[in-house]
Amino acid sequence: AQSVTQPDIHITVSEGASLELRCNYSYGATPYLFWYVQSPGQGLQLLLKYFSGDTLVQGIKGFEAEFKRSQSSFNLRKPSVHWSDAAEYFCAVGAKAGTALIFGKGTTLSVSS
Amino acid sequence: DTAVSQTPKYLVTQMGNDKSIKCEQNLGHDTMYWYKQDSKKFLKIMFSYNNKELIINETVPNRFSPKSPDKAHLNLHINSLELGDSAVYFCASSQRGTSGSRGGANVLTFGAGSRLTVL
Repeated sequence: AQSVTQPDIHITVSEGASLELRCNYSYGATPYLFWYVQSPGQGLQLLLKYFSGDTLVQGIKGFEAEFKRSQSSFNLRKPSVHWSDAAEYFCAVGAKAGTALIFGKGTTLSVSS
Repeated sequence: DTAVSQTPKYLVTQMGNDKSIKCEQNLGHDTMYWYKQDSKKFLKIMFSYNNKELIINETVPNRFSPKSPDKAHLNLHINSLELGDSAVYFCASSQRGTSGSRGGANVLTFGAGSRLTVL
């Protein structure tokens, strides 16, 4: 069965500093991988996805993520965090077309000035 | 024009009542989902429908009954509400890929959520 682990429950980063949110997955084959962001009181917005090909994927809002098969990881990065990036971030994995996504427990990002 | 819309956005009700949450998508997707987000923000799949056919039914109490009148709508009816049903319920939709396809499928688009509070 697929699973997703986000080891960091809460991270605080200074505005302008770089960010890395960790995600590890468990799945036998190459999975579909996603990062979603949830702002307070809002739904989930897709930041980026990895299906195949280039292991470094670019997303919206200046985010990127790198798929590392050897480490079963799909970490999210941003070179310079803005106060508006404060939100809940979810990593998710899907096995194949038509199956539901399995989400990690999320990482809360706080941005300090 | 909202892609995935849920109503109501907020629902406060007493234990034992029956309530429904409606979801509609205008993206032309053929698969719809209900997720439950608990107080710790953990998102868990409840149900999934593909072209009105139930394809995922996780371990959810029988009090929860999804209904899909057509592929653009997926409603959630909950009977005999309990305190533990308090959560945010998210509807989502996607376009199921063809066999072997890795393009476009499984990109879930979420609604804004429906916050259910059971007193």
